Amino acid sequence: DSGVTQTPKHLITATGQRVTLRCSPRSGDLSVYWYQQSLDQGLQFLIQYYNGEERAKGNILERFSAQQFPDLHSELNLSSLELGDSALYFCASSPQLAGGREQYFGPGTRLTVT
Amino acid sequence: QKEVEQDPGPLSVPEGAIVSLNCTYSNSAFQYFMWYRQYSRKGPELLMYTYSSGNKEDGRFTAQVDKSSKYISLFIRDSQPSDSATYLCAMSASGANSKLTFGKGITLSVRP
Repeated sequence: DSGVTQTPKHLITATGQRVTLRCSPRSGDLSVYWYQQSLDQGLQFLIQYYNGEERAKGNILERFSAQQFPDLHSELNLSSLELGDSALYFCASSPQLAGGREQYFGPGTRLTVT
Repeated sequence: QKEVEQDPGPLSVPEGAIVSLNCTYSNSAFQYFMWYRQYSRKGPELLMYTYSSGNKEDGRFTAQVDKSSKYISLFIRDSQPSDSATYLCAMSASGANSKLTFGKGITLSVRP
């Protein structure tokens, strides 16, 4: 158990809908990272937050957004969902800002868009 | 060309074999090299973490980095069925933007 929690574990929704994925980092970790994992693309970095502020952006679509709250939990919002958004979404946390090499992953949320 | 390339596998070996997993990369800025292990339906788990070139050993696992060739390896000695998982290499540059770039992963199966 990494100490990172994610809810829900599974999510099934229809195209065009909006969903929110939630992540609680390990106690004391200030950085949160979101990743998308699909069979064809592998694990893709989406976005990083550090202590409530956005720090880095990766391959995140404009339909996706995220935020980190004062209690350090983070939410990833996915809207206007398409079939291709079906994937595993992972959250990771890390205790260092400049480092971030040691990232601890949560169990993931499996999103299925029908 | 992708920044990080990893043999797609899958790889199947008998118990007790020595396993060699490899990644190549193109970005000279990468300074930190990691190996993650991911069991089915679980999140990736950090296995090994190496800075710059050289070797690092942890039990049955050895990570090797050759920056001149832009090539990293993970060796597993005396492989066990419990090592059956997907192994992903990951890399990052130094500095504040420390995003990890992952290989696509290779699935290893160790047969009893």
